[in-house]
Amino acid sequence: DVKVTQSSRYLVKRTGEKVFLECVQDMDHENMFWYRQDPGLGLRLIYFSYDVKMKEKGDIPEGYSVSREKKERFSLILESASTNQTSMYLCASSLWGLTKETQYFGPGTRLLVL
Amino acid sequence: GQQVMQIPQYQHVQEGEDFTTYCNSSTTLSNIQWYKQRPGGHPVFLIQLVKSGEVKKQKRLTFQFGEAKKNSSLHITATQTTDVGTYFCVMADDKIIFGKGTRLHILP
Repeated sequence: DVKVTQSSRYLVKRTGEKVFLECVQDMDHENMFWYRQDPGLGLRLIYFSYDVKMKEKGDIPEGYSVSREKKERFSLILESASTNQTSMYLCASSLWGLTKETQYFGPGTRLLVL
Repeated sequence: GQQVMQIPQYQHVQEGEDFTTYCNSSTTLSNIQWYKQRPGGHPVFLIQLVKSGEVKKQKRLTFQFGEAKKNSSLHITATQTTDVGTYFCVMADDKIIFGKGTRLHILP
């Protein structure tokens, strides 16, 4: 069964802190994605990766960076957290073929930045 | 840039009534996907449409892709409480764009 896990379900951080969100998939998928979900705005793509050490900016990359050192793991980094980064963060993976494959989502991490 | 409009944003229906959500794109699409997100859950893939004019059914759910491949709809017949959630279309051309979703609420 397909499985995408995220390191935390809930996280509270202070403004200026460095925040790491981890995502792991066990399906040997090529592509991995980070989204944020906000009421009224839907899901917005932050970054995605189509291979180890490869990354591409999504629609809202500002204030974020990512790391993919291993195929199964994709990390989202907030270098200096700000209150406007309070959100639900969703990780997803897909097999290959960026725009044609089913995405499998993790349970999400709800981040509160104080 | 490419945009996708999903309407309505919210829909309240009596249990047993039908429900439809629509997605419209400003450009022609190669395919469209639909996802459902239950309250407190994460998006789960429902279906993908690829061909112009394609219609697919999953029990009480009917998905359509427009002839011009610029719009799509999801229709639920005789809604049940298990249908509650937010339905997203995902339009994919050279990039992936999620619609903002339609939140369906069922009145008992």
